[in-house]
Amino acid sequence: AQTVTQSQPEMSVQEAETVTLSCTYDTSESDYYLFWYKQPPSRQMILVIRQEAYKQQNATENRFSVNFQKAAKSFSLKISDSQLGDAAMYFCAYRSADHDMRFGAGTRLTVKP
Amino acid sequence: GAGVSQSPRYKVAKRGQDVALRCDPISGHVSLFWYQQALGQGPEFLTYFQNEAQLDKSGLPSDRFFAERPEGSVSTLKIQRTQQEDSAVYLCASSLTRPRQGHEQYFGPGTRLTVT
Repeated sequence: AQTVTQSQPEMSVQEAETVTLSCTYDTSESDYYLFWYKQPPSRQMILVIRQEAYKQQNATENRFSVNFQKAAKSFSLKISDSQLGDAAMYFCAYRSADHDMRFGAGTRLTVKP
Repeated sequence: GAGVSQSPRYKVAKRGQDVALRCDPISGHVSLFWYQQALGQGPEFLTYFQNEAQLDKSGLPSDRFFAERPEGSVSTLKIQRTQQEDSAVYLCASSLTRPRQGHEQYFGPGTRLTVT
């Protein structure tokens, strides 16, 4: 079974600084997708960034980028120029081609003004 | 257009009661997923529909849980004889295509179920 591990229950960053959230996963599949979702307090889960496993280039979306290390099964999220609105729970998720999404336990990010 | 909507947003049930949770996916989305999110945890997969067909129900925790999507759009998650351990947020998500095609899932706001 595929598992997703987020080893940082909580992280804190100063506004305008950079923070990296860690995620590792376990799989025997070769074709899969990885996602980072953001869940603000009492609000809907929204997609931050996605990565297809067959792509070697790391995905980027504005201030958000990933460091995808396929051999190490690592998929970290870097948030640059952190803003107060980035404060939320961040979930790393894995999905193989035909299967359901597996989520990590989440990392609660606090942004200090 | 509108996103995924869920109703009710909050539900309090006495132990032993039956509950029904509704999900309205984004119009035209083929895939629909239900997740259970316990407090302080990530969502856990419950079941998946492709149109009206329930293709995977491996995550349903017991036979008290039942989901349907009879016309391939709105879905209902029913929990019979609720127990305290059923207390959680139930998330619905929809996706434009089948999982293999890799499109993202759009999540609803969830229904917070509290069983007393």
